[in-house]
Amino acid sequence: ETGVTQSPTHLIKTRGQQVTLRCSSQSGHNTVSWYQQALGQGPQFIFQYYREEENGRGNFPPRFSGLQFPNYSSELNVNALELDDSALYLCASSLGQGFYEQYFGPGTRLTVT
Amino acid sequence: QKEVEQDPGPLSVPEGAIVSLNCTYSNSAFQYFMWYRQYSRKGPELLMYTYSSGNKEDGRFTAQVDKSSKYISLFIRDSQPSDSATYLCAINPYQTGANNLFFGTGTRLTVIP
Repeated sequence: ETGVTQSPTHLIKTRGQQVTLRCSSQSGHNTVSWYQQALGQGPQFIFQYYREEENGRGNFPPRFSGLQFPNYSSELNVNALELDDSALYLCASSLGQGFYEQYFGPGTRLTVT
Repeated sequence: QKEVEQDPGPLSVPEGAIVSLNCTYSNSAFQYFMWYRQYSRKGPELLMYTYSSGNKEDGRFTAQVDKSSKYISLFIRDSQPSDSATYLCAINPYQTGANNLFFGTGTRLTVIP
């Protein structure tokens, strides 16, 4: 059984640029949730995708967008990067809607300069 | 008011001590409560998942929910150095109709051998 993987591990971008982060869900899981974790803070829910449809969204602006593919892997896209977007971006996969038994990946560390 | 509040600590205890970690939440309608453990440079991992009021025990860990006080707790018995990590409480409002997950800021725990 393959766990949740994320790529890249680290990323440095300049303010105003766009970034795409990727997540491969655990085998058998059809739901992916994305979180932003600033240093010293708890994760903040960005959105969830269930069977390729957005299924809930936290308090993030539209420049945060996502996609889920037929194999249930997912992308997080962030446009017009701001300095405050610097954080650890986590994805978690689970089976079914909601947040029961979700498994997190190791995260992508994004630095915006 | 934030949906969930957690004392950030840090908390330092000797090996074998009983640890009490706590969170308060804002909305009495919230139904699903979780505790996650996050080691440094890793994604969170689910420890306990509870619904409604009462206690749930799993080995050395006990999760307690007091809905009348809007207070949740995680107790760790016979704490071990390997328990040193950041502990995050999380709440899924579910019953309020929103698919969302609110995390506390996390409490950093160090167990001293």
